[in-house]
Amino acid sequence: GAVVSQHPSWVICKSGTSVKIECRSLDFQATTMFWYRQFPKQSLMLMATSNEGSKATYEQGVEKDKFLINHASLTLSTLTVTSAHPEDSSFYICSARGQGAASGELFFGEGSRLTVL
Amino acid sequence: QKEVEQNSGPLSVPEGAIASLNCTYSDRGSQSFFWYRQYSGKSPELIMFIYSNGDKEDGRFTAQLNKASQYVSLLIRDSQPSDSATYLCAVNRGYSTLTFGKGTMLLVSP
Repeated sequence: GAVVSQHPSWVICKSGTSVKIECRSLDFQATTMFWYRQFPKQSLMLMATSNEGSKATYEQGVEKDKFLINHASLTLSTLTVTSAHPEDSSFYICSARGQGAASGELFFGEGSRLTVL
Repeated sequence: QKEVEQNSGPLSVPEGAIASLNCTYSDRGSQSFFWYRQYSGKSPELIMFIYSNGDKEDGRFTAQLNKASQYVSLLIRDSQPSDSATYLCAVNRGYSTLTFGKGTMLLVSP
């Protein structure tokens, strides 16, 4: 299957700082990537859809000014959590559809666990 | 609102048994159905997908789809302790984003 790489895997930061998470499609071009957040024992919640060369589409209740998404190339999307607070601590996972995936399955990055102190 | 429902479990089965995981969905227009496995602290990995009524087999895994009942299941034969994980059901309509269930935790005891 398609390979999606995410970095960093773990990040600990102080409250008020900003954290950037990168998501790369390694062996295919992804015009669309998806950012999910998962709290402990909860399901994946879609935060936003990242579109190459255009603005991201955010789900209801997700603050676009707090979670900045940039999709500057066909292989890289970034999520920046600005002025992070402890309640932003979560597991952030990016995903992309493989090329030619008519069925629409998603391939996920390894995830980034954010802990805000 | 599109919903995907799963029993949170845990579902406990002994090693070698068949584990049966179930999922129902509310959007009758859903077209593709996916099963992902997620180990604790890891991101989901695709096990298999199905979009036609009936059964689809892949090794020890069988996905079953019944669109009339809006029901999809995953059977794991000869369950192994390494199968212990949370199994996420996901559906989509056409090329839309996936809607995930909350997942069912499976525990396979040696």
